[in-house]
Amino acid sequence: GQNIDQPTEMTATEGAIVQINCTYQTSGFNGLFWYQQHAGEAPTFLSYNVLDGLEEKGRFSSFLSRSKGYSYLLLKELQMKDSASYLCAVLDSNYQLIWGAGTKLIIKP
Amino acid sequence: ETGVTQTPRHLVMGMTNKKSLKCEQHLGHNAMYWYKQSAKKPLELMFVYNFKEQTENNSVPSRFSPECPNSSHLFLHLHTLQPEDSALYLCASSQREADTGELFFGEGSRLTVL
Repeated sequence: GQNIDQPTEMTATEGAIVQINCTYQTSGFNGLFWYQQHAGEAPTFLSYNVLDGLEEKGRFSSFLSRSKGYSYLLLKELQMKDSASYLCAVLDSNYQLIWGAGTKLIIKP
Repeated sequence: ETGVTQTPRHLVMGMTNKKSLKCEQHLGHNAMYWYKQSAKKPLELMFVYNFKEQTENNSVPSRFSPECPNSSHLFLHLHTLQPEDSALYLCASSQREADTGELFFGEGSRLTVL
């Protein structure tokens, strides 16, 4: 079966750095997405990786290793507004999105 | 107008009621989706419409009935639901189905079935 694993919950301190990991086993691979979802709000797109390596976008970076079936989302200079759930999703060989259950990130002052 | 709008935001219904969820997108997209989001579970794809044609029905019980009258509007008709159907129902759109582009989500309709 297809599977996406990510931690259920993480806690970090304002101003610090946090890395949210995502591992996947899917039927084929056509890219990996990260979405952010604040409580009671719509998920919003953060990043898309299809090639190995690190993609940086401001305070957020996303890394992909296809050979390891692994990605991480790196958040720097954490702010209280970064408290949210972070959803990892993989586009499989049929272009179906396979979703992880999400990681709830709690930022403490 | 925001990109994807869902109404109502909250809905409480009994198991014998009939209600509908509405989704409207103002992005000119051709694919629209219904997802179910339950606590601590992955998003579950329910239905996909591409250019108004249903292309995916992910083994969803018949008590959920989708309708897509045009590329901008999507409905989810609900009848004789069960308490386990209580969840957040998210609508999303994209340029087209099976796309590597991002999904644009609405804020969801929080459904409680008593």
